[in-house]
Amino acid sequence: DAGVIQSPRHEVTEMGQEVTLRCKPISGHNSLFWYRQTMMRGLELLIYFNNNVPIDDSGMPEDRFSAKMPNASFSTLKIQPSEPRDSAVYFCASSGSDRAPTEAFFGQGTRLTVV
Amino acid sequence: QKEVEQNSGPLSVPEGAIASLNCTYSDRVSQSFFWYRQYSGKSPELIMSIYSNGDKEDGRFTAQLNKASQYVSLLIRDSQPSDSATYLCAVNDGKSNYKLTFGKGTLLTVNP
Repeated sequence: DAGVIQSPRHEVTEMGQEVTLRCKPISGHNSLFWYRQTMMRGLELLIYFNNNVPIDDSGMPEDRFSAKMPNASFSTLKIQPSEPRDSAVYFCASSGSDRAPTEAFFGQGTRLTVV
Repeated sequence: QKEVEQNSGPLSVPEGAIASLNCTYSDRVSQSFFWYRQYSGKSPELIMSIYSNGDKEDGRFTAQLNKASQYVSLLIRDSQPSDSATYLCAVNDGKSNYKLTFGKGTLLTVNP
């Protein structure tokens, strides 16, 4: 299996622009998570989906952030408009294998820089 | 607010020694506990999971869980310079069973 795949790996954008991050979870996993990692706050859960349905979005910082999961193999995290304080590494993770349903595996992350 | 606490370190050990990493958590009904290793600039990598009280060994790694004390630890035997990384403790939400809360990690440095 290719693991969790994220794109792009790096994104540099100007303040006010829309940013879309993409994720393909591990095939067969039914839970998908978006995390944000910064030095100050560590890994923060933004939102998680179960069977393509958003279950908990309480970690989404504000209305500028939105996430979708139109099918079991694709999810997006959108920031519109972006701000410099959104600069961070954004990770997607998935879990839900039959053998170990709560073990989560991370993608390589997207390093976002908003200037 | 459910919390997972780790000593931020850095923890420095000589090559060949045992490194001991500790974690406490606040959610009394948590059932799943994980250790992730994160190299600088890379993504977290799952290295151990533990679900029952006691010890679980996998190669040079041993995870220890004490639910009564709400305490999880990771021992790394025969530490190698390649073990130098940040180790993240993660605990699942006892109610939802899907949600993971991470500690901020302990930076481990193994000196040759």
